[in-house]
Order: sequence, then structure tokens, then C-alpha cells
Amino acid sequence: DIQLTQSPSLLSASVGDRVTITCRASQGISTYLAWYQQKPGKAPEVLIYAASTLQSGVPSRFSGSGSGTEFTLTISSLQPEDFATYYCQQFNSYPRTFGQGTKVEIK
Amino acid sequence: QVHLQESGPGLVRPSGTLSLTCAVSGGSISSSNWWSWVRQPPGKGLEWIGEIFHGGSTNYSPSLKSRVTMSVDTSKNHFSLNLRSMTAADTAVYYCARVNSSILGAADHWGQGTLVTVSS
Repeated sequence: DIQLTQSPSLLSASVGDRVTITCRASQGISTYLAWYQQKPGKAPEVLIYAASTLQSGVPSRFSGSGSGTEFTLTISSLQPEDFATYYCQQFNSYPRTFGQGTKVEIK
Repeated sequence: QVHLQESGPGLVRPSGTLSLTCAVSGGSISSSNWWSWVRQPPGKGLEWIGEIFHGGSTNYSPSLKSRVTMSVDTSKNHFSLNLRSMTAADTAVYYCARVNSSILGAADHWGQGTLVTVSS
């Protein structure tokens, strides 16, 4: 199985901050990676697919980059509605796996 | 707009079988997408359970493969999950989701999730 390791697991930030979350894969996955946002009590929502393509309707302050084994999700200016948990997921091979999550909390 | 809705029991006895159904509306389950189940234990991360295509092809998580069966009913536009030999470790919110092939397999529509508790 491909392991995805996110860092940090917890991120404390303020409104307006630039935030970066990293997802490292245990083996190369090309750009077969998506990022999701999950708020408490809600289902995840896809933000980014193919490592860097913004899903329709997602604000442009979200961006993704990377290929192979290292990927990043960046929020250029954190907004109050962005405090949530973020997960990466790979689609290069089965089983599909998720990172353990990064919780972005208010500093 | 595609909408997914899980249904099933909220409580399952230890060693029992979980049966969940995901009803799809606003789109056909016979489209070129796969349909997936993901679970999330309370306070923990997401776990991929598996996926099914409308023709019946499946992919399962190796860690659950011996206990999982997925099926699809195109006439009812829904798909189902059976998980046998349930234990407390299977207590989780279970989500169904559409895997969109046009966005490289990311899940773009999710059900609201249903909490399943394993307890006697």
C-alpha cells in the first residue's frame, strides 16, 4: 500500500496567514493526488485534483503543487471558513489511501 | 446536481453484519463513474473501504476484503455495502461517494454520512 504522510498534523494560524500543508507519498504517484477539506460533522469536499487543478467552485486562494512523492496544499490568505481538517488522497494504485489529516485551527 | 444518501441501521451487534445502501439521485449510477465507500471512526481520519462500478466490478481495501461485499442495483439507482463480523473497531461514520473519472478519480459528491455503532 502507498502511505501518505501529512505534515504538520496540527497547524495554528491566524486569519490572513499563508498556510502550507505537505503530503509525502511512500512511493511515486505522479500527480494522482487530491486534497479534501472536512469541517466538523460534514462530509469531505474536494478542493484540488490531479495535484494542482482547482475543483470548480473552490476559491482561488487554494492551490496545490507537486508530483512524484511530495505535494503541497497552500492557502494564500486564510479565511475564517477555512478552519477545518485537510486530507490528501492518492489514486495511483489500489488501495486508495488517505493521509492522516491536518487540522488547521485558530491561533 | 448529483445527491447521495446513505441509509441503514445505526446500531449493529458485535459479530453481526452491517448493510448500508447509498441512493443516488440527480444522475445515473450507470454513468462512467465508480461509486465508493469511505469510513471515519469518531475523532479519527478517513479510511477507504472500496468502490464498485455499475457493471459490478469492485476494488476493496485489503484490510477489509475478507469481510466486505459491495453490490449495485441499476434499476433502483443505488449501491450497497455489506460488512460482516463487525467489532467495536468498525464503529464509524460511513460515507458513500461518487468517484469522478473526469477529475482523475477524486470523489466529488458525498453523502452526508451515517454513524454506525457496534455495541451489544
